[in-house]
This record gives sequence, structure tokens and C-alpha cells, in this order.
Amino acid sequence: QVQLQESGPGLVKPSQTLSLTCTVSGDSISSGTYYWRWIRQPAGKGLEWIGHIYTSGTTNYNPSLKSRVTISIDTSKNQFSLNLSSVTAADTAVYYCARGSGYWGQGTLVTVSS
Amino acid sequence: DIVMTQTPLSLSVTPGQPASISCKSSQSLLHSNGKTYLYWFLQKPGQSPQLLIYEVSSRFSGVPDRFSGSGSGTEFTLTVSRVEAEDVGVYYCMQGVQFPLTFGGGTNVEIK
Repeated sequence: QVQLQESGPGLVKPSQTLSLTCTVSGDSISSGTYYWRWIRQPAGKGLEWIGHIYTSGTTNYNPSLKSRVTISIDTSKNQFSLNLSSVTAADTAVYYCARGSGYWGQGTLVTVSS
Repeated sequence: DIVMTQTPLSLSVTPGQPASISCKSSQSLLHSNGKTYLYWFLQKPGQSPQLLIYEVSSRFSGVPDRFSGSGSGTEFTLTVSRVEAEDVGVYYCMQGVQFPLTFGGGTNVEIK
């Protein structure tokens, strides 16, 4: 059974970089042909795709965030990561990692505040 | 970006009765490979979204057969044949044919 778990600081100061890691269990991140995704959801609002990294290392990002987003993969740790730079209060949200569309982490709340 | 429009915004359903949610996309979701990349998710209260339907009409592993999807091109429907209490939550459609992936605004389903 594939499981994903997000981890990282729950509070980030404005203008700093938000960094989250998704640890995958029950599957090898380097096998198969999956998109490893980050999605976020502000409180009480809908879902926004941030971007993803393919098993090969190819990335695609949401143009609305592209200049600030980096997604990377660490096959040795079976993890992939999200960095979002120059954050503002508008980046406050629950952040989810997912394998394709079928398997999601439980989500982690990140608040941007001084 | 492809805009996904869901209707209705909310739905109140009597247990055992059917429910349908519509999702319309601003562009066709038919890929050149012949597949149509339309997905349905349910986000139960306090939980992560869970995949119900992929590629218009294929049920994901473990999804009860009371959930079904239909449609083509730009118009799609999710139908729950007999709503149960555990089906409450917000339903989202999502397109996967073009980046950025985009979601509908959600349909909140509650039980009468």
C-alpha cells in the first residue's frame, strides 16, 4: 500500500522559503512511471496544482508559481521535495503531496506569518 | 489555462437517492492519444482528497460501484446511484490533459 507523508515547518516568515518533503513508503520513487505532485489548498478554498516531478526528473510547474517553485527528487531517501521562495500570506495553505492522482498524503498546514 | 466549471455548488440528498454533479471544461479534454483526462475526487471532512474516477469513467481501486462517471469532450457527469451517509463532502473534478492541471471549484454534498 503506497503511503505518502509530508513534513516541514508549519510556520514560515514572509519573504522566506517554504520547504517541504514528502516521504514515500510502499513504493520505490525511482520505479514506475509516475508524476510526484504537490497540490495546495487554502483554508475553505479549492485545490491548486503546484507542480510535479516525473520519475525521470522532468518537472512541470504551475505558471502562476513557476518563478518561485522548485521540486526535486531524492531517490536514495525515497523522497521528493518542494521549495517555494519569497512567500507571502497568500501562500498559507494545506500542502499535499501525491503520487499521480490516486495516492495522497494527509496534508500539512503551512502558515506564512511574522 | 483550462477552466473547470462545476454545478451545482451544493447538493442536499436523501440517503438512498441518486445524485449527479456536472463538470464542464473550457477546452476539450481529449488527448491526441485517444484518452480523455478527466478525474473526480471526493474530499471528506477533515481528509485529503481521494480519487474516485479517472479518465472519465474508470473507478479507482476500492471505489464502490455506486459511483460512475460519464461524458466526453467538454461535458462530464459524476453520478452516485444511491447516496450513503459516508458520501458527504466536497467533490472536485480535475483535468489532466494540459498543464497547469486545474480543478473545478467543488460541489458540497450533504445528507438531508
